[in-house]
Amino acid sequence: GAVVSQHPSRVICKSGTSVKIECRSLDFQATTMFWYRQFPKQSLMLMATSNEGSKATYEQGVEKDKFLINHASLTLSTLTVTSAHPEDSSFYICSAREGVEQPQHFGDGTRLSIL
Amino acid sequence: GQQVMQIPQYQHVQEGEDFTTYCNSSTTLSNIQWYKQRPGGHPVFLIQLVKSGEVKKQKRLTFQFGEAKKNSSLHITATQTTDVGTYFCAGFYNQGGKLIFGQGTELSVKP
Repeated sequence: GAVVSQHPSRVICKSGTSVKIECRSLDFQATTMFWYRQFPKQSLMLMATSNEGSKATYEQGVEKDKFLINHASLTLSTLTVTSAHPEDSSFYICSAREGVEQPQHFGDGTRLSIL
Repeated sequence: GQQVMQIPQYQHVQEGEDFTTYCNSSTTLSNIQWYKQRPGGHPVFLIQLVKSGEVKKQKRLTFQFGEAKKNSSLHITATQTTDVGTYFCAGFYNQGGKLIFGQGTELSVKP
């Protein structure tokens, strides 16, 4: 089955640090990848849609300068949380799909804790 | 705007009892997908329904897509402790080309 790898799985760092999270589709080409944020006991909140070779589309209320997304190839997208602060602490999950109406396959998620 | 409502938010059952979660969209869906997220884990794709009135089964799980393609349900027969987790429906809308997730239903099963 389709596998999506996300690294790192957990990050603990000081306030002001920038954190980079990688999302890779291992056995398929993902024209589109998605980045979600999930708070405890809540649903997945879509942050942005990442298309290979073009700029990401951000959801309303998500700061594009704060959450930098790069989709350099058909198998890799990265999310950089710049100058992270405690309020950015959350569970970040990426997903990838092969085609427009195809299911999304999720990475294991990254638990980010900013001290 | 496009919105997917899911109820109930929580469901606690005794092992062996049945469980159902319901999803409703404000507008017609292109398809609906169901995911399961175990505690501490990531969402795992279960199934996709595309056709109006479609019913699909996976062992003890039965998925339905409404005739108007605006609602869907997941029914689990005779729950087991391995069914524990949060079940999310996610509606796909042609406009925008993205999945909108419901709030999820957290299922706990008492042995």
